[in-house]
Amino acid sequence: KAGVTQTPRYLIKTRGQQVTLSCSPISGHRSVSWYQQTPGQGLQFLFEYFSETQRNKGNFPGRFSGRQFSNSRSEMNVSTLELGDSALYLCASRRGQGTLEGETQYFGPGTRLLVL
Amino acid sequence: AQSVTQLGSHVSVSEGALVLLRCNYSSSVPPYLFWYVQYPNQGLQLLLKYTSAATLVKGINGFEAEFKKSETSFHLTKPSAHMSDAAEYFCAVSARMNTGFQKLVFGTGTRLLVSP
Repeated sequence: KAGVTQTPRYLIKTRGQQVTLSCSPISGHRSVSWYQQTPGQGLQFLFEYFSETQRNKGNFPGRFSGRQFSNSRSEMNVSTLELGDSALYLCASRRGQGTLEGETQYFGPGTRLLVL
Repeated sequence: AQSVTQLGSHVSVSEGALVLLRCNYSSSVPPYLFWYVQYPNQGLQLLLKYTSAATLVKGINGFEAEFKKSETSFHLTKPSAHMSDAAEYFCAVSARMNTGFQKLVFGTGTRLLVSP
């Protein structure tokens, strides 16, 4: 069974640009969550999508957005990049019909974004 | 609001020694707690989770954790460290948001160093 895949794995952008990251969940999983990991702030929840609908959103500015397609693949977009957006962006998938304690959430390897 | 605190950003042990990684939680409701491991350049992998079924939880790779309500703790242990255990470990708690859906709230992580 293929795991969660994220593309690209590494990305370098400059301030002011925008970026789109992609996540393909495990087959059959309809929930995709995104997390930002930085040395200073640690792991922080960005948002969760389930069946093409955002059902949870963390405390991030509107520059961070996402969407989910009918095949459950998800993208997140960051517009007007800032230096502080440099981070490892992780996505995680699960079936999504139950609770976090009842279902296992599987993480992808992440996309490392460097903003210069 | 639910949160977790991991004591010690770095823990060093010798191969074969006991591993003890500390996690304390704060929660106004019965918590659901998780331990994840992150190897270099990889995503997070679930080690174990506490869902109130049993206070002593056994996970993968020989790890276990004990939920102690009186101490608000969920420390991770392994009787004998292997070199392959060197990684970063994250404690997490599930938190219910205003939407009614859950997110994971992570601790700051503990890097485990294993020396021969």
